Amino acid sequence: KQEVTQIPAALSVPEGENLVLNCSFTDSAIYNLQWFRQDPGKGLTSLLLIQSSQREQTSGRLNASLDKSSGRSTLYIAASQPGDSATYLCASTGDSSYKLIFGSGTRLLVRP
Amino acid sequence: NAGVTQTPKFQVLKTGQSMTLQCAQDMNHEYMSWYRQDPGMGLRLIHYSVGAGITDQGEVPNGYNVSRSTTEDFPLRLLSAAPSQTSVYFCASSYTQGWGTSYEQYFGPGTRLTVT
Repeated sequence: KQEVTQIPAALSVPEGENLVLNCSFTDSAIYNLQWFRQDPGKGLTSLLLIQSSQREQTSGRLNASLDKSSGRSTLYIAASQPGDSATYLCASTGDSSYKLIFGSGTRLLVRP
Repeated sequence: NAGVTQTPKFQVLKTGQSMTLQCAQDMNHEYMSWYRQDPGMGLRLIHYSVGAGITDQGEVPNGYNVSRSTTEDFPLRLLSAAPSQTSVYFCASSYTQGWGTSYEQYFGPGTRLTVT
């Protein structure tokens, strides 16, 4: 059964710093991995989707990588800003291409 | 496009009451699903549907019922509310394909439910 873990649970950094959020999964037979952002009291906003055949995806200051052999994905945020403060969730597919298994998230605070 | 919409935003129920959480999407997505989010537990899949007339159970289906009569709507019914069902409920949708490439999932804003 797929399990997804995110470490650390919380992270506080000064504005401008580059940072990496980590996500690990136990079953490498995934269809895709998706990174989401969740603001307090709000829904999930999709940030990046990496297909199983891809190694990375980029959107603006965000870059997500996928290494199936080691069961790891990372989300790199360049030049962090206070507006990046949110909880970041990663989700991997389970036994189908559309059923997602979520990690518990990393709560990010970017200090001005 | 409105995307994925959910109503109500907030709801308080007494133990034993029933209610329906509404979810609709206007993107013509085949796949729709319901998750619940609890502190320390992450999001867990309750039920899902790969098209009108087709539903299946996720990880935590007990106490919930679903049906899918149209592509656009996927309501979640609580049959007899219990305090353990206090949670935030999210609906999601995406295109889907039987094998191979899968698609980005889009989430609604959530319904915050309290059962007393």
